[in-house]
Amino acid sequence: RKEVEQDPGPFNVPEGATVAFNCTYSNSASQSFFWYRQDCRKEPKLLMSVYSSGNEDGRFTAQLNRASQYISLLIRDSKLSDSATYLCVVNGNGGFKTIFGAGTRLFVKA
Amino acid sequence: NAGVTQTPKFQVLKTGQSMTLQCAQDMNHNSMYWYRQDPGMGLRLIYYSASEGTTDKGEVPNGYNVSRLNKREFSLRLESAAPSQTSVYFCASTPRGGASDTQYFGPGTRLTVL
Repeated sequence: RKEVEQDPGPFNVPEGATVAFNCTYSNSASQSFFWYRQDCRKEPKLLMSVYSSGNEDGRFTAQLNRASQYISLLIRDSKLSDSATYLCVVNGNGGFKTIFGAGTRLFVKA
Repeated sequence: NAGVTQTPKFQVLKTGQSMTLQCAQDMNHNSMYWYRQDPGMGLRLIYYSASEGTTDKGEVPNGYNVSRLNKREFSLRLESAAPSQTSVYFCASTPRGGASDTQYFGPGTRLTVL
């Protein structure tokens, strides 16, 4: 079983749609959780951290369920510029313990 | 602030050739990392340097060596390239190496080994 699992997609959605990505992790001792965004042929960049209480940044909402070892990302009112791969990232105990999911591709169409 | 820079951007090698990938950061970060990214797989850690003067193996270190030249620079060397090392290589840095640190990535090196 992979340590961090994501649905690879692709998700094809029209502009304005709401789309949700899910991610599960296997290490119950994991401490920190993130979503990174990676554009085609570019480097990953931090989108947002994920907290137990849930957090929101504009159109983006991230949720963490420690009991189920599950992380989610909700994108509302999708824009063409949201087209990218979204990486679920889990950290056990230090930068060298960062585990990246394989990513979920999103295509937003006009 | 350039952030994290990597050279070269692209490289084609023949099996058995050697090369060094260069990485530098200007954010005064303590920790630096080398990852490889292959299709359908998450980024996998090759080597990391928690602080200047230290290096340690990650998940997939075989066939690679690293040098933390100073606080800014962390290089990755392929001594005898193999087709299985065809990949995109990313260097990253973090301020302290802590669990909650953001990872800052360079633009990547696309390496093909024939």
